[in-house]
This record gives sequence, structure tokens and C-alpha cells, in this order.
Amino acid sequence: QQPVQSPQAVILREGEDAVINCSSSKALYSVHWYRQKHGEAPVFLMILLKGGEQKGHEKISASFNEKKQQSSLYLTASQLSYSGTYFCGTVDQGAQKLVFGQGTRLTINP
Amino acid sequence: DAEITQSPRHKITETGRQVTLACHQTWNHNNMFWYRQDLGHGLRLIHYSYGVQDTNKGEVSDGYSVSRSNTEDLPLTLESAASSQTSVYFCASSTTGVATEAFFGQGTRLTVV
Repeated sequence: QQPVQSPQAVILREGEDAVINCSSSKALYSVHWYRQKHGEAPVFLMILLKGGEQKGHEKISASFNEKKQQSSLYLTASQLSYSGTYFCGTVDQGAQKLVFGQGTRLTINP
Repeated sequence: DAEITQSPRHKITETGRQVTLACHQTWNHNNMFWYRQDLGHGLRLIHYSYGVQDTNKGEVSDGYSVSRSNTEDLPLTLESAASSQTSVYFCASSTTGVATEAFFGQGTRLTVV
């Protein structure tokens, strides 16, 4: 079962912040975040393991609340290069299959 | 450099024909995955494999099959192509474990007419 992402789309001006949420109905072992530019393959951003870990990648960070089975991706002071579709992927406890959400399209305008 | 490649990049086929999409990785990864991407549905898991001779069904496996005879390849076969299978297909691979990065191929755009 796919995790659910929200919002489905976000439009920002350069320099603004955004939060993308991901929730699952299953107990999770890890949450993965990827970004896909139009016409390209998804590219890895970060992985979060159970334990409430928060990780960062430049001005992009994420948190994982294993009890709530939720993760959030934070983009601060957005840049034009951040535009694309963001996917969260989840790995259930006891399995290694990676299941993705439906994606969040992020548009950054000058 | 290690990589994951898909072929063909684009294909048009007729309804009812059998089609095979190739995926080859040189990472020596045990895990391999096939996804389809459609607007509004994101990336949906079709089949996956944890190693040679191992295959498992994903969320949308009906009408698709895979086989894993070696570590490097996981071909995806559409037994009898249908218009509903028009999509962009992505192959991915990762090392063993639940916290490992997945590397994606460049995708195959399949059109069934």
C-alpha cells in the first residue's frame, strides 16, 4: 500500500519555505526521499531510520516520527533548482521492498 | 563507473503483443525493483527481487512477470500488452538492507496502441 503525500502540489517564490508530508498505515523501518526533475529519473536525497532521526542535506532536511508513521521534508529558503517532484518511499518492518507515494510537485518561481 | 541501464528508452507496441523491457545494473546489487509511473499515481511497484531466482509481486503486478537468472539483470515482460499499460517504467537497484539508497535507470516510455 502506497504512503500518502501532502500536499499534491506547491508553488513558491524563490526564498520561501515548504513542508512536504508523508504518512503510512504500516509500521515503518525507514523512509526515503527522492527528487525527480521532468523527464529524468528520481534521484536520492536522504534516508531516515526509525528512532525520530532528523537528517539534513544542504537546506533540505527531514524528520521521521515512527510512532505516527509519518515523515516530513523541509525545504528552507528554496532555490530555483529545488523545483521538481518529490517522492517519499517507505520500507515496512520485516521487508526490503521500497514503496513510493504519489509525489508532490514543487514549483519555484523567481 | 557502475550504472543501471534500461532498454529500449522508447517503445511503441500493439495491443496483445508480448513485450520485454530490459534492466541491467553493474552495481552488483542484490535488490532490484520495477516501477511504473503515471500521472496522479506516482511510482507504483510492479515486481521486485532480492537476489538470483527470487521474485516477488508488488502492488500492480497483474499482466507483468519478471525472472532473475543472474545478479545483473531483471527483465520485465508484459505477457499481452494492454492500453492500460501505457506508462513510463523505471527499474531500480539497491544493496541488501532496508536503509540503502536505490539507484534508478533512465526509464522506458512504453506506448500500447
